[in-house]
Amino acid sequence: EVQLVQSGAEVKKPGESLKISCRGSGYSFNTHWIAWVRQMPGKGLEWMGTIYPGDSDIRYSPSFQGQVTISADKSKSTAYLQWASLKASDTAKYYCAKSRRTGYSYGDLDYWGQGTLVTVSS
Amino acid sequence: DIQMTQAPSSLSASVGDRVTISCQAGQDVGKYLNWYRQRPGKAPELLIYDASNLQTGVPSRFSGSGSGAEFILTISSLQPEDFGTYYCQKYESLPTFGPGTKVEMK
Repeated sequence: EVQLVQSGAEVKKPGESLKISCRGSGYSFNTHWIAWVRQMPGKGLEWMGTIYPGDSDIRYSPSFQGQVTISADKSKSTAYLQWASLKASDTAKYYCAKSRRTGYSYGDLDYWGQGTLVTVSS
Repeated sequence: DIQMTQAPSSLSASVGDRVTISCQAGQDVGKYLNWYRQRPGKAPELLIYDASNLQTGVPSRFSGSGSGAEFILTISSLQPEDFGTYYCQKYESLPTFGPGTKVEMK
């Protein structure tokens, strides 16, 4: 069974750093892209970026380039999304999702994690 | 960037109703278009990929059509678990989701 299990909810203060995780199982982790998608409270879905764990090829949306860092640890079948300095506007639910196929269709997503709620408040 | 729009933004329907949702791309995206359902408080689920292909395990009441810049999602007989928000997404180059269509109970 394919599963993407994300780390738990976080409450942080502005200026703090954070790294959340997404562990994949039940499929070939190294050969499928893992994407991160933001959903702000009451809003829609925004594609942030993606990583190919096999060779750490990373693509960012221009809207998120420089704002977050995506990484992966193949040995742990885990992808990460991190912030160096959080802002209140980073408050959102963050989902990871895997690509349906191998190859370059990194935005074609089938299985999704349960989401990680990040709250940034002073 | 290619913008995605959906219509309507929300609709009210009853169990058993036929529901159609439209998605328009700002330019030709071929068949690189997916549909997702997001139930309240849950993660999105892939329903239709490549505009018209039913994802494994998804009920046959869901169907998709279209190509180029105009797409339609049809639910032939709405079920209680179908209430939620539906998103189209073009997935090539810069993946972009539509703004969503909220399906509410009448």
